[in-house]
Amino acid sequence: GQQVMQIPQYQHVQEGEDFTTYCNSSTTLSNIQWYKQRPGGHPVFLIQLVKSGEVKKQKRLTFQFGEAKKNSSLHITATQTTDVGTYFCAGQGDMRFGAGTRLTVKP
Amino acid sequence: NAGVTQTPKFQVLKTGQSMTLQCAQDMNHNSMYWYRQDPGMGLRLIYYSASEGTTDKGEVPNGYNVSRLNKREFSLRLESAAPSQTSVYFCASRDGHRGNSPLHFGNGTRLTVT
Repeated sequence: GQQVMQIPQYQHVQEGEDFTTYCNSSTTLSNIQWYKQRPGGHPVFLIQLVKSGEVKKQKRLTFQFGEAKKNSSLHITATQTTDVGTYFCAGQGDMRFGAGTRLTVKP
Repeated sequence: NAGVTQTPKFQVLKTGQSMTLQCAQDMNHNSMYWYRQDPGMGLRLIYYSASEGTTDKGEVPNGYNVSRLNKREFSLRLESAAPSQTSVYFCASRDGHRGNSPLHFGNGTRLTVT
């Protein structure tokens, strides 16, 4: 079945540095969703990408969907301590998640 | 609106005991899901219900059963708990009619099996 892989598994950055996480699928996706889970919390929906090559921004967060609709990325510019958490991507259909990228930020 | 409500929040079981995790949503969503999350790991789909009256296996269904009691409620049952089922369990729902709608998660149930 469909599988999404995320890299890196962990990322530790200094506050102010940029951060990127990547999501790769073995099959073409009709859409991809991104979620954020704060430590001790539950996943919260961030955004959905549907179109090939689509780019969406939310303040310091930039989301991209690959041209072949098999990969996606989330880039955070100038990280802040409030960005700490685990970022997950999820493909369409039965909503299987990648393993997530855990971001820690040193103030 | 409460969104997705899970009970209990915490539970400790002994090996072999049974229990049911409850989940209810008040958003009139068609689809509901159960995930487990182990420390440092991602979310793994246990079972889901695309609509009232249907359930399907996810990635890790062994050791679990589910019941879609009505449109609002989707329960997860452990018939004979094992230490390997120690995990955080999340219930989620979405509006299946909208096709690509986002998942709404509950706060989770933290289960320990000793």
